[in-house]
Amino acid sequence: AQTVTQSQPEMSVQEAETVTLSCTYDTSESDYYLFWYKQPPSRQMILVIRQEAYKQQNATENRFSVNFQKAAKSFSLKISDSQLGDAAMYFCASNSNSGYALNFGKGTSLLVTP
Amino acid sequence: DAGVIQSPRHEVTEMGQEVTLRCKPISGHDYLFWYRQTMMRGLELLIYFNNNVPIDDSGMPEDRFSAKMPNASFSTLKIQPSEPRDSAVYFCASSPGISPPQFFGPGTRLTVL
Repeated sequence: AQTVTQSQPEMSVQEAETVTLSCTYDTSESDYYLFWYKQPPSRQMILVIRQEAYKQQNATENRFSVNFQKAAKSFSLKISDSQLGDAAMYFCASNSNSGYALNFGKGTSLLVTP
Repeated sequence: DAGVIQSPRHEVTEMGQEVTLRCKPISGHDYLFWYRQTMMRGLELLIYFNNNVPIDDSGMPEDRFSAKMPNASFSTLKIQPSEPRDSAVYFCASSPGISPPQFFGPGTRLTVL
């Protein structure tokens, strides 16, 4: 079984600044995948970024990047040049080739202030 | 490209009534997932299908819940009879495989009075 932990229920960042959201996970799988999803007030779950565990290079998508520390089982999300539209609930999630369901953390609510 | 489509977006019903939630996955996606989101339990998997066949239904809360996928473009989640504790947002997601990510529909907010 996989478990995902997000230790920050809420975070706040000023517009144009950088913020890092933390995520740790626990798994016995050797082949697994990690994701960050964004859920704005519209409640739509939007994929932000994903990382294959076998890849050492950290994934990047425009202003979003991850710091994947496999040995520490850590998968943090960095948002650069924060924008008002980044305000949302962010969920860290994982799955594997033997457990296809996504295992979600409890989420981090991100507030972006002008 | 149309994403995952769910209907209805909102459903309000009374305890004891039957509720049917519908999902149309993205064309070509072989995997379909039903998740439930509540404040207490967060996001949890109910059931998933591969090529229209249910693979894992261990997350289905009890016999009141049932899910079907009669063809590659349609799935239903039925609750009969519904109870107030079933109130939640129900998401459908689809994926072309296991390693690619899952794409979510807009969700159905269910309120059982």
